[in-house]
Amino acid sequence: EAQVTQNPRYLITVTGKKLTVTCSQNMNHEYMSWYRQDPGLGLRQIYYSMNVEVTDKGDVPEGYKVSRKEKRNFPLILESPSPNQTSLYFCASSLGTGETHEQYFGPGTRLTVT
Amino acid sequence: RKEVEQDPGPFNVPEGATVAFNCTYSNSASQSFFWYRQDCRKEPKLLMSVYSSGNEDGRFTAQLNRASQYISLLIRDSKLSDSATYLCVVNPTYNFGNEKLTFGTGTRLTIIP
Repeated sequence: EAQVTQNPRYLITVTGKKLTVTCSQNMNHEYMSWYRQDPGLGLRQIYYSMNVEVTDKGDVPEGYKVSRKEKRNFPLILESPSPNQTSLYFCASSLGTGETHEQYFGPGTRLTVT
Repeated sequence: RKEVEQDPGPFNVPEGATVAFNCTYSNSASQSFFWYRQDCRKEPKLLMSVYSSGNEDGRFTAQLNRASQYISLLIRDSKLSDSATYLCVVNPTYNFGNEKLTFGTGTRLTIIP
């Protein structure tokens, strides 16, 4: 089954404790991205990757890191989480961003930083 | 001005009605446009891409107006299952290596029995 998986689905952590949210896709997609969704602000892109070892900042990259060592995986790293990073996070993948390129989203990770 | 703007709603419409909403975008060079649907606390899923000539998929019609820089979504004969948040998505540029997608904040639609 074609899918994007994220882990963990729910995470409660404390300020400053490094964490990683994993994202994996099995569709051989080149384009992957991370979004956060907050009430009233919608989905905002954090980072995206056009291919292995190619990453770029989205609209809200501060406080986040990513890596793309393999095509299928695109982990999101929070080196020192803060309460303002409490949010719902989605990973997505696609063949690209053209009009025929559907973004496939993972189920989401709900992060709470206290 | 926001890159992508939508009326957040909520729109509460009776079952069987026709409902339409628009989404405006600020970058006239934008090339790709989409409507996604998001159910409560779930991941967004593609509803339809929006082509320059407009396109239809069953009860759903999407149109692009480049001159006025907006896209629209029309839902005919609305069903209870159409209740969701509809997200407008735009690829603001068409430069290789800058494939950012911008999402609107969504329009919330509730179909009433």
